[in-house]
Amino acid sequence: SAVISQKPSRDICQRGTSLTIQCQVDSQVTMMFWYRQQPGQSLTLIATANQGSEATYESGFVIDKFPISRPNLTFSTLTVSNMSPEDSSIYLCAAGGPNVEQFFGPGTRLTVL
Amino acid sequence: GEDVEQSLFLSVREGDSSVINCTYTDSSSTYLYWYKQEPGAGLQLLTYIFSNMDMKQDQRLTVLLNKKDKHLSLRIADTQTGDSAIYFCAEKGGSYIPTFGRGTSLIVHP
Repeated sequence: SAVISQKPSRDICQRGTSLTIQCQVDSQVTMMFWYRQQPGQSLTLIATANQGSEATYESGFVIDKFPISRPNLTFSTLTVSNMSPEDSSIYLCAAGGPNVEQFFGPGTRLTVL
Repeated sequence: GEDVEQSLFLSVREGDSSVINCTYTDSSSTYLYWYKQEPGAGLQLLTYIFSNMDMKQDQRLTVLLNKKDKHLSLRIADTQTGDSAIYFCAEKGGSYIPTFGRGTSLIVHP
């Protein structure tokens, strides 16, 4: 199994600002993902973070709003840009591969005022 | 797209068994998962089953898979208050990315 840490664990931000969330995995993994979980909802995949290339975004999510980096096999960042109250959510980092289960970080709880 | 459905709430008495049900539509599902999310925490993988199995038991947890009906269940024996959480069913088929249900909130009362 992989152990995943995220920081910050929570933050309260002002409208119009940006927040970068970091995700660290304790072992090299094939794939890393970013999810959003809005209150009372299931998980929505934002993008797959690709090492050394641009992330692959799901429908409804764009790079300008959610830029993602993955400089190596164990680390990724997600930035939530120009935030609005609608971005208030839990952001979850996950890691896995094609033939194994997906492991999740503890999440970052974001509140935008 | 593929879909995973779960009931939203389940309430049980401490000591009873809990059964959480899930249905899915992807006929090419290879892996089926159960995750647990406690308040304020991320998702913890509880157990998973390969699509060529019909049952898996792990201590108090029993997973049953009816592949013909695309129905997955999680049974928790002797449910405790610490089992109160949201339980997510997920399936993964041909892609690398699992599809999650909306989660079932399990409430355990004395």
